[in-house]
Formats: sequence, structure tokens, C-alpha cells
Amino acid sequence: AQSVTQLGSHVSVSEGALVLLRCNYSSSVPPYLFWYVQYPNQGLQLLLKYTTGATLVKGINGFEAEFKKSETSFHLTKPSAHMSDAAEYFCAVIAGSGNTGKLIFGQGTTLQVKP
Amino acid sequence: DTGVSQDPRHKITKRGQNVTFRCDPISEHNRLYWYRQTLGQGPEFLTYFQNEAQLEKSRLLSDRFSAERPKGSFSTLEIQRTEQGDSAMYLCASSLEGEQFFGPGTRLTVL
Repeated sequence: AQSVTQLGSHVSVSEGALVLLRCNYSSSVPPYLFWYVQYPNQGLQLLLKYTTGATLVKGINGFEAEFKKSETSFHLTKPSAHMSDAAEYFCAVIAGSGNTGKLIFGQGTTLQVKP
Repeated sequence: DTGVSQDPRHKITKRGQNVTFRCDPISEHNRLYWYRQTLGQGPEFLTYFQNEAQLEKSRLLSDRFSAERPKGSFSTLEIQRTEQGDSAMYLCASSLEGEQFFGPGTRLTVL
């Protein structure tokens, strides 16, 4: 069975600093991995996804993530934080063989950006 | 707006009452998902439709919960005899085969 662990429920960075949000997964099959962002009182928006191919994935708003099979990790990074990046971030994996598309989410990481 | 819409956005009800939520997916999407998100947690899968067929239900979906997707278009999620533990954000998502697009959610508060 698949699972996702996000290390750190709250991360605080200064504006302009590096953002690093950690995600580790467990999967018995090659994983499809996702990062979503959720702003207050809104639904989830896809930032980026890894399915196959290149392990460094670039997403929207300057975010990127690297799939590292040996470390079972899919950490999210952004070189320079902006105030508008403050939100809740969720890492997710598709369950099973992926036929249903059902997503299993981590517990989320709240990103705070200080001026 | 051609995104996923959900109605109502907020619902406050008393324990023991029945509630129904509606989700309108993106029009050409054949897959529709319901998730539940409690405070401080990630969304948890509840159920999934492909067209009008409900193909999978989570163990989280007790017999007080029922979901339908008549004609493979909009979907409804009904909770009977609500309990305080049902208080959560209920998210709907739709997809064609890849990325799931999420609606804004319905926040349920059971008093």
C-alpha cells in the first residue's frame, strides 16, 4: 500500500529565501507523485507531478521537485520565496497501480513567508 | 467559469439532520472523486465514479454516507443522521484520465 509522509507540519522562511518542503513516500509500485497547494478556503491546485521520465520536475510559480528513488523522496523547492507562496502544501501519490487515479495525501505543510 | 463547482460552500447543521452536497465537474471529465479533509490533515479519499458507475468506496464511507452520479454528470453526496465527527471540508475533483481538478469544497459544521 502507498503512503506519504511530509516532514514538518510548519515551515517558516524569509521572503527571498530558499523554500524546501520535504516529502517521503512508500510505494510497492513505481509511484506517480504530485504536489498540490491550497490557499485558505479554496480547493487544491496542482503545482507539479512526476510520472515517468526526467526526475527533476518543474511546476508553476517557480517550484520544482526531484524524484529520488533511492531515498524514496520527492522534495519541493523554490529558490526564492515570495509572500504569495504562503499556503498549505500537500504531497500525494496515486494509490495502487494507478487505474483509479485515487490520490493518497500527506498531512500537509504550512508555509509561512516572513517579510 | 469552466472549473469544478460545489454547492453549498458552507453548511451548518444540527446533529442528526441530513445534508446533501452537490458537485458539478468539468463537463467532459468522466471521472469524479470525493475527498474529506479535516482540520490540519490532508484530504482522504471517500469514493470514485467513472461516468455513472461508483467503482470504489473507502471504509471511511459509513452506511450513513451515500453518493450518486446520475447520468454521469453532476454528483451528490448525502450524509444522513449527521454527527459532530462529520464536520470537515468535503472536496470534489474531476479528471479525464490524468490530473485531478479540485473544486473549492463544501465546509460542513455539525453542531
